[in-house]
Parts: sequence; C-alpha cells; structure tokens
Amino acid sequence: KAGVTQTPRYLIKTRGQQVTLSCSPISGHRSVSWYQQTPGQGLQFLFEYFSETQRNKGNFPGRFSGRQFSNSRSEMNVSTLELGDSALYLCASMRSNEQFFGPGTRLTVL
Amino acid sequence: DQQVKQNSPSLSVQEGRISILNCDYTNSMFDYFLWYKKYPAEGPTFLISISSIKDKNEDGRFTVFLNKSAKHLSLHIVPSQPGDSAVYFCAAFNFGNEKLTFGTGTRLTIIP
Repeated sequence: KAGVTQTPRYLIKTRGQQVTLSCSPISGHRSVSWYQQTPGQGLQFLFEYFSETQRNKGNFPGRFSGRQFSNSRSEMNVSTLELGDSALYLCASMRSNEQFFGPGTRLTVL
Repeated sequence: DQQVKQNSPSLSVQEGRISILNCDYTNSMFDYFLWYKKYPAEGPTFLISISSIKDKNEDGRFTVFLNKSAKHLSLHIVPSQPGDSAVYFCAAFNFGNEKLTFGTGTRLTIIP
C-alpha cells in the first residue's frame, strides 16, 4: 500500500511570492492534515480537510489556505511569502486516531 | 497556548541505558496519547500510543506511562540503541473534534 506522498520535496522561493504544495493521502483515507515544522516550535497544526471540507483550523494567518479534491488529494497554498515561512511542511492522512505522515516539503524563503 | 509541552528540547543517553522522554498536557479532555519518531528529511512515524483510561502500554523496548492526575506522560526506551537517535514528538488526540495536537519535540541522541 503506497504511503502519503508530497510534492515537491524541496522548494526555494523569494519573499512576496506564493507557493502551492501538494499531498496525496493513502488510498481510502479521507482526512488530510497539514503541519508546519520549524526548529523550536515543533509541529504546528495548520488545518485538516475531510471529504473536501475544512474540519479543523490552527492559528495561522489567512495567507495560509488549503483545499481538498474529490479524490482526497489536498493542496496547501501560502501567499505573500515571508522569511518566517521557511519550514518543513508535513501532510498526514488519518484513519481512526492514527496519522500517517508524508516525507514533507522543505520550503526555503529567501 | 501550547496544550502539549515537551520541556526538554534535547536529551543524550548512553547506549544500553534507559531513555526517558517526558510530555505534559493541559487539556483534560484528551482521549488518546501517541508518540512519534522523526528522522531528518522524513515525516514522523507512529511509535506507540496509550488510551486515557490506561496508565501503561508496552511494546518491546518502548513503554509509555500516563499519569492523568498530573497530566503527564512519558516514553521509556530500554535498552537505548544508536538507531533510536531521532526527534520524538508526543501528541494528544481528542475524539470529540478529531484533532491531534503535537508537542514541540525532544531530540534524543544515543551515545555509542
């Protein structure tokens, strides 16, 4: 069974640009969550989608948005990038109370 | 408001000894607690979990203890092995809103 996949794995952008990250969950999983990992801050929850609807949302500004498609694939968008947005962005698909994480997208904002 | 806290950002333990990672939480409504292990450039992987109605769960070298009155859980790894060197995250799950909240992580280094 294929795991959670994320594309791209690495990305370099400049301040002010926007970026879209993609996540494909494990087949049959309908819940997809996004997290931001930065040194010292651990895993910060961004949002969770279930059946194309945002079910939970963390405390991030409106520049961070997401969506989920009918095939459960999810995208996360960050507009007007700031230097502080440099982080590892992790996507996880969930079944019951267990989450399975993808390898992450390393975003560097210059 | 950090509902799940890991107060030790790093920990070094001699190979063969016991590693103890700690986690504190503030929300008494959490139903389930999990530990994840993360290697660099990889996503976290599930390690072990415990229901809020239990106080101990064991899986091989890994044991998780839960003290509900103190809102504290710990992960014991014994004996520690070099391959255990990683960042460990504790997480708490609420069945009501199906939300998983992570701690800030502890970097464990096993010294050969």
